[in-house]
Amino acid sequence: GAGVSQSPSNKVTEKGKDVELRCDPISGHTALYWYRQSLGQGLEFLIYFQGNSAPDKSGLPSDRFSAERTGGSVSTLTIQRTQQEDSAVYLCASSLGEANVLTFGAGSRLTVL
Amino acid sequence: DQQVKQNSPSLSVQEGRISILNCDYTNSMFDYFLWYKKYPAEGPTFLISISSIKDKNEDGRFTVFLNKSAKHLSLHIVPSQPGDSAVYFCAASEIGTASKLTFGTGTRLQVTL
Repeated sequence: GAGVSQSPSNKVTEKGKDVELRCDPISGHTALYWYRQSLGQGLEFLIYFQGNSAPDKSGLPSDRFSAERTGGSVSTLTIQRTQQEDSAVYLCASSLGEANVLTFGAGSRLTVL
Repeated sequence: DQQVKQNSPSLSVQEGRISILNCDYTNSMFDYFLWYKKYPAEGPTFLISISSIKDKNEDGRFTVFLNKSAKHLSLHIVPSQPGDSAVYFCAASEIGTASKLTFGTGTRLQVTL
């Protein structure tokens, strides 16, 4: 596609439920990233996929968070047993190889009640 | 521990004047710095970058200055235009880890008529 596509754009869930957020990167971009922005904070790195290499999961805040990238394209970020502190905008980005210039999607706003 | 700091949450500038957005960092391993711009309901978009081997980079109305000894960088926009009104994020990456950007909390710029 022309840009990075994320869905859903908004998600409201109850504490304890699982959620899945989807990212469709720019075609041909081999690198895919997940960041999140909590209220009043900067963007926080979560996870990075590059080609067939093992993902860099060093930013995932807890083992309730996981992500996968199928076929080197679409990625899903899963949050299990959501907590109120998980409320944030989750941003996906992609780039051509390992590069600093990322193209971001519009984000998925998650609200945990 | 905020490694990239944008101490001004907001800035208001008159159209045609210069906008100066500041960013400080604490990690001496950072060697590449970027500015991203974000409009409401959109993802951040890349604006301009600078490598630590330079002290200035210019692109049209946008100039980024880097003072390594002070661990400080700034973004100058001149002349400012109403369309520049957005949130500006400073970001940095460490040597060898281009994939993992550390972002500041952002400065909201409003350019008034």
